[in-house]
Amino acid sequence: AQKITQTQPGMFVQEKEAVTLDCTYDTSDQSYGLFWYKQPSSGEMIFLIYQGSYDEQNATEGRYSLNFQKARKSANLVISASQLGDSAMYFCAMREPFSSGSARQLTFGSGTQLTVLP
Amino acid sequence: EAQVTQNPRYLITVTGKKLTVTCSQNMNHEYMSWYRQDPGLGLRQIYYSMNVEVTDKGDVPEGYKVSRKEKRNFPLILESPSPNQTSLYFCASSGGSRQHFGDGTRLSIL
Repeated sequence: AQKITQTQPGMFVQEKEAVTLDCTYDTSDQSYGLFWYKQPSSGEMIFLIYQGSYDEQNATEGRYSLNFQKARKSANLVISASQLGDSAMYFCAMREPFSSGSARQLTFGSGTQLTVLP
Repeated sequence: EAQVTQNPRYLITVTGKKLTVTCSQNMNHEYMSWYRQDPGLGLRQIYYSMNVEVTDKGDVPEGYKVSRKEKRNFPLILESPSPNQTSLYFCASSGGSRQHFGDGTRLSIL
């Protein structure tokens, strides 16, 4: 069963507008971590933001915020004031705890290609 | 500067010719792993290592080998590459909640 689901293969947003990239996850563990990474066309993976399952506040990093809804098992990324340089592939990922036997493996979604329009 | 370094960044080779992709990290992390990225599938883990001389299979280990003789290095070995191993490969290391990724290696197996 897929553990991370990103239902938007592609998204478009106008420059300076906000955009939300969806991510839902599936786990039976109470302790887990959720990540968002950005992959520009050059290929490298750039860490954006992290949310721990016990964190009470939604994580924020500059223009990035994570809308964490634990009961709904969703961890949507919100990018405010989009810039042309935000055009990239965005991946949601989940890390499960050591006790599950998966070590520190990250399970990734299939990604969302974001295009920012001038 | 904290970093994970992979080499080569790009490689085009032929079926059956053994190759090694090197990975080195300078953060003294115990945990290292290899992923491959294919269109529409995200990143999938190939192998991981919890510490020196401790390695284990990830989700897609077939056709790959790894070794962890030193803490900083975690090479990925393709003994007999095949075209279905054409992919973008990432090495990562972790000392806490966050994984640090290398810049990726694009392998094309003809």
